[in-house]
Amino acid sequence: GAVVSQHPSRVICKSGTSVKIECRSLDFQATTMFWYRQFPKQSLMLMATSNEGSKATYEQGVEKDKFLINHASLTLSTLTVTSAHPEDSSFYICSASPSASGWGEQFFGPGTRLTVL
Amino acid sequence: DAKTTQPTSMDCAEGRAANLPCNHSTISGNEYVYWYRQIHSQGPQYIIHGLKNNETNEMASLIITEDRKSSTLILPHATLRDTAVYYCWAGGTSYGKLTFGQGTILTVHP
Repeated sequence: GAVVSQHPSRVICKSGTSVKIECRSLDFQATTMFWYRQFPKQSLMLMATSNEGSKATYEQGVEKDKFLINHASLTLSTLTVTSAHPEDSSFYICSASPSASGWGEQFFGPGTRLTVL
Repeated sequence: DAKTTQPTSMDCAEGRAANLPCNHSTISGNEYVYWYRQIHSQGPQYIIHGLKNNETNEMASLIITEDRKSSTLILPHATLRDTAVYYCWAGGTSYGKLTFGQGTILTVHP
């Protein structure tokens, strides 16, 4: 199956700093990638849709100025958590799909665990 | 997307079949049923999907009722590594946008 990677897998930062998370599709191109957030013991919550070459689409309640998304190429999307605070501590996961697999078969990255002190 | 309802948790003995139900009574005619699972602290993993016919792959079987209002994911010989949260999703209009419910926590016991 298709492979999606994320970097870093784990990051600890001080409150007020910015953190960038990368999501890469390793063996396919993805014009669209998705970013999710998951708090402990909860389900995944879709944050935004990342579109290559255009602005991301954010879900209701997600601050676009706080969670900056850049989809610079067909294999890379980045999520930057700006001025991170402890409440931003969460498990961030991206997904993408090769168009030939159909849009419903999403391949997920391994996730990035962010801890803000 | 159709609203889905799944039991909160289920247990299964190792080596036995695990049957995970999902109710999606509001599913429309062009919406597929997808199953994913998430092992602790990992990203979700696609398992299987179907429209109206039963489907089988190397991981599982998917049984969809004739009226398509519910489905069952079957892991034929559960192993300890199948312990995970299993998510059922039914949709067809939002390209790639998956909205996850709470899923079913499946615990496979030795």
